[in-house]
Amino acid sequence: GAGVSQSPSNKVTEKGKDVELRCDPISGHTALYWYRQSLGQGLEFLIYFQGNSAPDKSGLPSDRFSAERTGGSVSTLTIQRTQQEDSAVYLCASSLNTIETQYFGPGTRLLVL
Amino acid sequence: AQRVTQPEKLLSVFKGAPVELKCNYSYSGSPELFWYVQYSRQRLQLLLRHISRESIKGFTADLNKGETSFHLKKPFAQEEDSAMYYCALSATGGFKTIFGAGTRLFVKA
Repeated sequence: GAGVSQSPSNKVTEKGKDVELRCDPISGHTALYWYRQSLGQGLEFLIYFQGNSAPDKSGLPSDRFSAERTGGSVSTLTIQRTQQEDSAVYLCASSLNTIETQYFGPGTRLLVL
Repeated sequence: AQRVTQPEKLLSVFKGAPVELKCNYSYSGSPELFWYVQYSRQRLQLLLRHISRESIKGFTADLNKGETSFHLKKPFAQEEDSAMYYCALSATGGFKTIFGAGTRLFVKA
């Protein structure tokens, strides 16, 4: 079956613009995560959705970042008033439940000029 | 607090040499431990998890609850093992998976 997909694969934007990144998880997966991976760095947790529970937003770096997950499926990560330090690869992952293997998408490479 | 520690940011070994990537965790309950790998230009993927007790691509990892460790080992490293490796911890009950900072393994010819 289809894996986790993300769009766009690449995004170039100007400083100060808003961007939306999309994640389509594997069907039936209740847990969805967003991570950020800066060049040569590890995974930085951003936000986590589990079923109908309130999301864990503890990793969001600032109030410019927000995410939603509609109908327990597709998720959108929004970055408002982008800054150059937001440039990174944004990864989405989903899992059947919290204890199961995470399946990662290919990532969206964001470049803020 | 729950935590996963990978003390080595970079590990460089020669082809054919043994390799051990260290992972220590802090969690009071019964954790589920994973190793994920990211090869160049590929997406992050599961390598192995402790509950499966499998050997994948020659790698094994044993959960040592006394030492709270889950080190990844391979007796003879190959050049194709060069990648970024992440240790991760999860648990039941809606627990958020926690990743370590990652170790970049470089296997030299």
